[in-house]
Amino acid sequence: DTAVSQTPKYLVTQMGNDKSIKCEQNLGHDTMYWYKQDSKKFLKIMFSYNNKELIINETVPNRFSPKSPDKAHLNLHINSLELGDSAVYFCASRQDGYNGYTFGSGTRLTVV
Amino acid sequence: RKEVEQDPGPFNVPEGATVAFNCTYSNSASQSFFWYRQDCRKEPKLLMSVYSSGNEDGRFTAQLNRASQYISLLIRDSKLSDSATYLCVVRMDSSYKLIFGSGTRLLVRP
Repeated sequence: DTAVSQTPKYLVTQMGNDKSIKCEQNLGHDTMYWYKQDSKKFLKIMFSYNNKELIINETVPNRFSPKSPDKAHLNLHINSLELGDSAVYFCASRQDGYNGYTFGSGTRLTVV
Repeated sequence: RKEVEQDPGPFNVPEGATVAFNCTYSNSASQSFFWYRQDCRKEPKLLMSVYSSGNEDGRFTAQLNRASQYISLLIRDSKLSDSATYLCVVRMDSSYKLIFGSGTRLLVRP
């Protein structure tokens, strides 16, 4: 029973397309995150939501738009995909008051 | 300057060796410190938190020096299964945003 699940696991798409990545957690955690891991393996935070409210919005192009319909879901929509968007995108969740993150297994996005 | 810096490695060691990884962080207001482990093409997983007094979990020992803004991880009696990338991670503030180092790759050979 996967705690943080992301779909799809792999996504290959052409430049200029719009795509979405979905994330769901069944841990009852209050906060969810999107991180991006680029080709140099550097993990950087993009967004965080707490109980459906945006609390962290790093310097990310506005082509990226997170959406949290409820506290168990945090989706990431990307418009007008560019080659530089190719990366692994990790969703994570955390219970308020605790340090530990639980990460999803990642979505490997390749823009061609 | 990167907020969290690590030697990228790779560290190539024989089974049974002791290996140490170091990490420095730039923001003195950082609040919490961790080591995560990431296997190839997998998600990061928490290995251990790091406390000022130093802490140990089996073969793994972590140390924090706040004055020098320096974190270390020592692995004793390396196993083949320890082969992975070890990520030094810092929590900056009450938002619980984690800042990751770029990782140190460890290869343990038979």
